[in-house]
Amino acid sequence: EPEVTQTPSHQVTQMGQEVILRCVPISNHLYFYWYRQILGQKVEFLVSFYNNEISEKSEIFDDQFSVERPDGSNFTLKIRSTKLEDSAMYFCASILQGSSYEQYFGPGTRLTVT
Amino acid sequence: KNEVEQSPQNLTAQEGEFITINCSYSVGISALHWLQQHPGGGIVSLFMLSSGKKKHGRLIATINIQEKHSSLHITASHPRDSAVYICAVIASGGSARQLTFGSGTQLTVLP
Repeated sequence: EPEVTQTPSHQVTQMGQEVILRCVPISNHLYFYWYRQILGQKVEFLVSFYNNEISEKSEIFDDQFSVERPDGSNFTLKIRSTKLEDSAMYFCASILQGSSYEQYFGPGTRLTVT
Repeated sequence: KNEVEQSPQNLTAQEGEFITINCSYSVGISALHWLQQHPGGGIVSLFMLSSGKKKHGRLIATINIQEKHSSLHITASHPRDSAVYICAVIASGGSARQLTFGSGTQLTVLP
C-alpha cells in the first residue's frame, strides 16, 4: 500500500540553525499539509499546499517557515532560524484529490532544538 | 473558532471491556477523522466519516451531524489497543481541508 514517507526521523539542531524537513507524499496525491505536535500538546495545523502554492496557513506559520515542492515528488518544510520552541514532532500529510477528505499521514520527524 | 473537545482525557480499562471515547465540535464539518497515535508518535488514520456509522474489526465509529458529536467504540478491548485516540475535523466551507485536532484520549488497557 502506498505511504507517505518523511526524513529524517529525528533531527537535532542548535538554536538559530536552518533545518529542512522532507516528505514524499503518495505519488498521485494533490493536497499536502504540514502539522506539528509539541510534546504533550495537541496536533496543530501549519500549512496546506495545492497546485504549487500555499492554499492556507495558520498563525504559527510565520516568516521563519517556508514550504516547497521542488521536484514534483518531495515536499519540504524549512525553518530558517530555529528556536527552542520549534522543538516538536512534524507530520506531513496528503489528500488524493478534490473530492476526497481522507488524509494520509507520514510517520513524523522529531525535531529537537538545543 | 473551531473547537474540538474529547472526553475522557484518560481512560483505563480491563482487557475485554467495551470502551467509548467521545468527541464534540463547534462548527459545521465536511468530515471527521478518528486517529490513533502510539508512543513512538506516528499517527494512523482509523476512520474518516461524514455521516452514520463505520465498523472495522472491533472498532466502531459513529457521528451525529446535527448534534456535532462523534463516538469511537472499541469492543473486547485488548492491551494492544493502548494508545492515544485523536478526533480531528475538517470544517465545511474551506478549500484547504486542513484538520483541526482534539487533545486526544490516552487509553490504557490492562491485561
